[in-house]
Amino acid sequence: NAGVTQTPKFQVLKTGQSMTLQCAQDMNHNSMYWYRQDPGMGLRLIYYSASEGTTDKGEVPNGYNVSRLNKREFSLRLESAAPSQTSVYFCASRREGYNEQFFGPGTRLTVL
Amino acid sequence: LAKTTQPISMDSYEGQEVNITCSHNNIATNDYITWYQQFPSQGPRFIIQGYKTKVTNEVASLFIPADRKSSTLSLPRVSLSDTAVYYCLVGFPYSSASKIIFGSGTRLSIRP
Repeated sequence: NAGVTQTPKFQVLKTGQSMTLQCAQDMNHNSMYWYRQDPGMGLRLIYYSASEGTTDKGEVPNGYNVSRLNKREFSLRLESAAPSQTSVYFCASRREGYNEQFFGPGTRLTVL
Repeated sequence: LAKTTQPISMDSYEGQEVNITCSHNNIATNDYITWYQQFPSQGPRFIIQGYKTKVTNEVASLFIPADRKSSTLSLPRVSLSDTAVYYCLVGFPYSSASKIIFGSGTRLSIRP
């Protein structure tokens, strides 16, 4: 039981490049979330998904797209990376009926 | 969405009891109050959740007054390892579509 896994752990991009951050959970949770955390700041919600095939915008969705193809996986895509997207990205999942979220280890992204 | 307000930072000493208060004036009737702990370079970790009065687990206690417009996380006899950022959230857990918003959190520093 790995919980929530994220790949990659680290990534450096040049401005304008694209990439996809992968997230998977093995706890059979319906809800999944993508957050970003800038240095010294709290977490900000980018997108979330209540179930397979559904996604909704969070606080800061601009510049990102997401895909929830199945119950396990929720990916975050940066189509054209910008330096302002330099951050640590956390994926989380939550079991319905509980407010407890389980977080992955994070992806540290630097955009030059 | 109910907004939460917490102190930016707090200091205490090992062995002391620490109380962190969170204000949530526009909490909805169905909202629960949840607290998370985050260490550097890690995702947040669930500590405790409550709806009203008092909840206690092996880690902390949560005090919620009758009007539910605030809550207090109590950490008994803190140690250096309790140095972390603590987040207060409010939300309705019985829906997979709940949008979970983290605030800026309280940075707790414990000194020897």
